[in-house]
Amino acid sequence: DGGITQSPKYLFRKEGQNVTLSCEQNLNHDAMYWYRQDPGQGLRLIYYSQIVNDFQKGDIAEGYSVSREKKESFPLTVTSAQKNPTAFYLCASSPQPPNYGYTFGSGTRLTVV
Amino acid sequence: RKEVEQDPGPFNVPEGATVAFNCTYSNSASQSFFWYRQDCRKEPKLLMSVYSSGNEDGRFTAQLNRASQYISLLIRDSKLSDSATYLCVVRGNDYKLSFGAGTTVTVRA
Repeated sequence: DGGITQSPKYLFRKEGQNVTLSCEQNLNHDAMYWYRQDPGQGLRLIYYSQIVNDFQKGDIAEGYSVSREKKESFPLTVTSAQKNPTAFYLCASSPQPPNYGYTFGSGTRLTVV
Repeated sequence: RKEVEQDPGPFNVPEGATVAFNCTYSNSASQSFFWYRQDCRKEPKLLMSVYSSGNEDGRFTAQLNRASQYISLLIRDSKLSDSATYLCVVRGNDYKLSFGAGTTVTVRA
């Protein structure tokens, strides 16, 4: 079955550590996105990529980095520069243009301990 | 001003009731419109697209008013399983979607 897979489901990070969240899709979608969701708030765009080897900053890119070396994969690194990393991270993908919306992965819940 | 604004609710309704809510969007050049459903601690899932002429999907009816820049969702004959947060989503004249913060609906027995 085609879909989008995020791992891990839960992740705990110590202060000062970098962590990488995985996102893989087999939907043959060109575009991929990373969002952050905090309790009671909407989704905020971190980074997006419309094509392999190219990506753009979203609204809250500070403290995050991404790569897009393969069409299927769009990993997100949460660096130690991100001051409030505890959140629910959602990866999504879509064809271009996204006439039928995005398909989301099941998310990674990151907690700083 | 936020690109997409929604009444957060909660809308607390009995089973079998009808519930309706709106969202407004700021970009008059917006191209596409969607309603997503998000269950607690889960990912958003597409509920339905919203077309200019309005559209139904079973007990769900979506309307678009471009002149006033709002979208509505109506749920008829509410079920307990309809309890969720409903996200209003708008695509501008680029390829990115903007998400509202969501409207929470709770259906009680």
